[in-house]
Formats: sequence, C-alpha cells, structure tokens
Amino acid sequence: SYVLTQPPSVSVDPGETASLTCGGQDIGSKSVHWYQQRPGQAPVVVISHQGYRPSGIPERFSNSQSGNTATLTVSGVEAGDEADYYCQVWENARVIFGGGTKLTVL
Amino acid sequence: QGQLEESGPGLVQPSHTLSLSCAVSSGSVSDAAYYWSWIRQTPGRGLEWIGYFHSSGSTSSNPSLRSRVSMAIDTSKNQFSLRLSSVTAADSAIYFCAREEVTTSLFDLWGQGAQVTVSS
Repeated sequence: SYVLTQPPSVSVDPGETASLTCGGQDIGSKSVHWYQQRPGQAPVVVISHQGYRPSGIPERFSNSQSGNTATLTVSGVEAGDEADYYCQVWENARVIFGGGTKLTVL
Repeated sequence: QGQLEESGPGLVQPSHTLSLSCAVSSGSVSDAAYYWSWIRQTPGRGLEWIGYFHSSGSTSSNPSLRSRVSMAIDTSKNQFSLRLSSVTAADSAIYFCAREEVTTSLFDLWGQGAQVTVSS
C-alpha cells in the first residue's frame, strides 16, 4: 500500500524558513494537500495542491513537489506556526495521510 | 464556511457497535460536490481515513475497516452517520467527520472531533 513519510519533527528559529517534507513514490505526479493541527483542535487546510489557502493562512505558506518529495515551506516562521502538519493524497481509491511533522519554533 | 459537529457516546463496550452522527450546518448533505467523510486519530496510528458516503449513494472505505463500517446520510436531518461494529480497544480514538471535495479530495471542513473509548 502507498505510504507517505514525514519527519517526526522540525525545529527552526523565528524568522527562518522551515521546509517540511512528505515522501512517497512518484508523489510529484499526485495531488498533495497539507493540513495544520494545533493541540486539541481538528486539522485545518493550510494549503491545497492547487495552492489554495483558506482565509487566515498567510502567503508565507507555500507548496511544491517533484519526484518522490512534496514540500510545505513556511517562510519567516512565527511562534504561532508551531503545530503538527500533515500531508494527504488520494491513491488507489483511498485517502492516505502522512504521519505528521511537529514544527517547533525555537 | 459552515460547521460540522459530531455527536454520540464517548464510551462503547468491546464487541459492541460504535455509532456517531455529524450535523451539517450551512450547506446540504445532498450537495453532489462533496463526499461526507469520517477520519480517526490516535497517537499511535496518526490520522486514519475511515471512509465516505456520497449523496448519490456511492461509498468507499478503508480496506482495513471495510467489513465493519457502514455509513449513511439523512437528508431530512442534514446529517451523516458512521457505524463501526465489533469494536475493540484498538478502535479507541478521536473521530472526526469531514467534508471532502469530490474533484480534489481536499478535506475543506472538519468537525471538532469526538473522543470515543472502547472499554468495559
């Protein structure tokens, strides 16, 4: 079955750029969506494959993908960006989520 | 944007059936643009897709749960439901209902989540 691999944690200083990766076979050819989840809350869309960001999500969040890696980039990281981030695809008639990355702002 | 809200027992006995409902405010479960979906989350397994039901009657579910899952929509109440039979402790999780765009598979709206514990 298809597997999405995310690093368990990424730590960055405020103002720096965080790159959160999502690995999967030929993921560059798939539609990848990204979600943010804060403690005790439900996940929310942070950016869709098409680049849609809901109101309230700043342009500092961007996405890219190629080959076997999709990346969520957070520029100018702020303390409020600290959360868990999940990637998601639709593959073989089922939804697949990555294991999630905890973004820590130092 | 609308809202989804889960409801149901927070405690279910082993071997019994877990039943949850999701009320939809603003928007209709008859809207063909969306799948009405269930997702669960545990510390050990992360986010796990359970399945969806569409207003056309089509449905799909995770192969690992398929034999125990049934889903439905109730247009009169504008809500949708999940039933998971023969539960064990491994089914203890936070259960989310969510709206999934048919064309993109994006989960654009989530409920707040319902903690369900399987225990005697």
